[in-house]
Amino acid sequence: AQKITQTQPGMFVQEKEAVTLDCTYDTSDPSYGLFWYKQPSSGEMIFLIYQGSYDQQNATEGRYSLNFQKARKSANLVISASQLGDSAMYFCAMSVTGGGNKLTFGTGTQLKVEL
Amino acid sequence: GAGVSQSPRYKVAKRGQDVALRCDPISGHVSLFWYQQALGQGPEFLTYFQNEAQLDKSGLPSDRFFAERPEGSVSTLKIQRTQQEDSAVYLCASRQGSTNEKLFFGSGTQLSVL
Repeated sequence: AQKITQTQPGMFVQEKEAVTLDCTYDTSDPSYGLFWYKQPSSGEMIFLIYQGSYDQQNATEGRYSLNFQKARKSANLVISASQLGDSAMYFCAMSVTGGGNKLTFGTGTQLKVEL
Repeated sequence: GAGVSQSPRYKVAKRGQDVALRCDPISGHVSLFWYQQALGQGPEFLTYFQNEAQLDKSGLPSDRFFAERPEGSVSTLKIQRTQQEDSAVYLCASRQGSTNEKLFFGSGTQLSVL
């Protein structure tokens, strides 16, 4: 069985600062993918970034980067230059090969960006 | 369509009523998923379709939950004899292929059972 753990229920960051959201995962499958989604108050899940288990380099997408430490089974999201619009719920998720590659989600981290 | 569309956006049901939730995935997307999201929690997998075939329904909480995708596009999640614990946001997601790619989510249907 796969498990995602997000230990930070809430985080605060000042505008223009960087913030790291923690995510650890557990799986015995050697092939898996790690995702981060943003969920604003409107409810829609917005894809941010993806990291494959065999990718050699950490993924980056604009202001988002994924700090992938395979040996530690961690996949932390780093948001640089935070903006007020970044305030939202952030979910880490994992899929494993097979079974439709369904996503298993963590419990989320509520991020609040302050002036 | 431009994105995944779900209807209705909100649904209030009396305990014991049947409800049907609709999902229009992105045109051409092979894979379709239903998730249930309780308040303050992450989404939980319910079921998965590849085209019209329901390949995984291991997350459906009881036999009161039924999903279909008869023509491989629009999907309906039906809940019979609703109970208060069914109150949640139901999210639909689609994906172009069947491999490890990102899911595109709809805005969800918020179901409240009174």
